[in-house]
Amino acid sequence: EAGVTQFPSHSVIEKGQTVTLRCDPISGHDNLYWYRRVMGKEIKFLLHFVKESKQDESGMPNNRFLAERTGGTYSTLKVQPAELEDSGVYFCASSHLPAGTEAFFGQGTRLTVV
Amino acid sequence: GENVEQHPSTLSVQEGDSAVIKCTYSDSASNYFPWYKQELGKGPQLIIDIRSNVGEKKDQRIAVTLNKTAKHFSLHITETQPEDSAVYFCAASGNNAGNMLTFGGGTRLMVKP
Repeated sequence: EAGVTQFPSHSVIEKGQTVTLRCDPISGHDNLYWYRRVMGKEIKFLLHFVKESKQDESGMPNNRFLAERTGGTYSTLKVQPAELEDSGVYFCASSHLPAGTEAFFGQGTRLTVV
Repeated sequence: GENVEQHPSTLSVQEGDSAVIKCTYSDSASNYFPWYKQELGKGPQLIIDIRSNVGEKKDQRIAVTLNKTAKHFSLHITETQPEDSAVYFCAASGNNAGNMLTFGGGTRLMVKP
């Protein structure tokens, strides 16, 4: 069974540009989460999808971040326009319903904004 | 909201020794406490978890203990090996619909051969 897959693994963009990160969850997992780790600090929650619906987006830092999960399969996280403080590692995780089951993480996308 | 503190931030042990990492949490409603291991270039991988109705759980060389009264939980690794070297994260999750995880700051464990 394929794990959670994230694309790209690395991205270097200039301040003001747009970047789109993609996450393919484990097949059949209805829960999909985005987290990020900035500058070696703790991993912080960004948002949670159940199928195609946003269940909780309380962790999204501001309106420059837009997440979608069309059709309840893969998800994208767009940052537009990117700022220097957006640099970090963005993780995607997925799990079965109901909530409370083990979450499997992808390898992460390292985003560097210069 | 929940706040998770993790100590130490770095830990260096000799191969064969034990390693202990401690975490405290603030929300008494939290009831699920997983531990993740992150190796270089990889995502966090669940190594063990414990729920609030259990005080201790063991899986071969790793064990986790939970003290709900004091709101702290610990990871114990015995007979450490060089391949145990990684960053370890504790996390807590409350009784919320989404099971969102709140992570500690991570511990970089180095096992010297």
